[in-house]
Amino acid sequence: DAKTTQPTSMDCAEGRAANLPCNHSTISGNEYVYWYRQIHSQGPQYIIHGLKNNETNEMASLIITEDRKSSTLILPHATLRDTAVYYCIGPEGSQGNLIFGKGTKLSVKP
Amino acid sequence: DGGITQSPKYLFRKEGQNVTLSCEQNLNHDAMYWYRQDPGQGLRLIYYSQIVNDFQKGDIAEGYSVSREKKESFPLTVTSAQKNPTAFYLCASIRGTGATGELFFGEGSRLTVL
Repeated sequence: DAKTTQPTSMDCAEGRAANLPCNHSTISGNEYVYWYRQIHSQGPQYIIHGLKNNETNEMASLIITEDRKSSTLILPHATLRDTAVYYCIGPEGSQGNLIFGKGTKLSVKP
Repeated sequence: DGGITQSPKYLFRKEGQNVTLSCEQNLNHDAMYWYRQDPGQGLRLIYYSQIVNDFQKGDIAEGYSVSREKKESFPLTVTSAQKNPTAFYLCASIRGTGATGELFFGEGSRLTVL
């Protein structure tokens, strides 16, 4: 089962890369790691997910360590609109129910 | 366009009344979820359903009930047994039953109990 831990908050300067870490030391071999973000009072938005290879899409990059015990979400050029709570999650339980923790509150500052 | 629709967006109720929140999806997704979010907190799982006519309790199911009579609908009832029902409620769905892939969320329903 994949239980995840993330820092409570992080700051990033506008235009710089935001690197958000996540530990998932209990993840099993066939469990994906997912990243979502939530802007205040809206439903969470999917960002990216991966299994063991690094992934990139138009929103972000996901770097997963070789042992799969941790990953980093990278927003290459953070903007003020990237200010949000970022959740790293993995399926838990035999039914694969997705569990969200408190996430990391990212504040992008001018 | 396909998506998840939650209604109502805002709801006020008196203490002791049951309240039903609607969640409808036209994505043809198999699994649906209900989460609760309190101010400054993460999402906590209330109930989830992998297929029609089947659902499972999440971490905080007490005081809530659900039904899944149709694939596209997963209503949540907040009963009078729920001690602190004031919260932001989010419904989500995902294709397949193994919880792999992208979760789609509705815009949420904010319930305030007076």
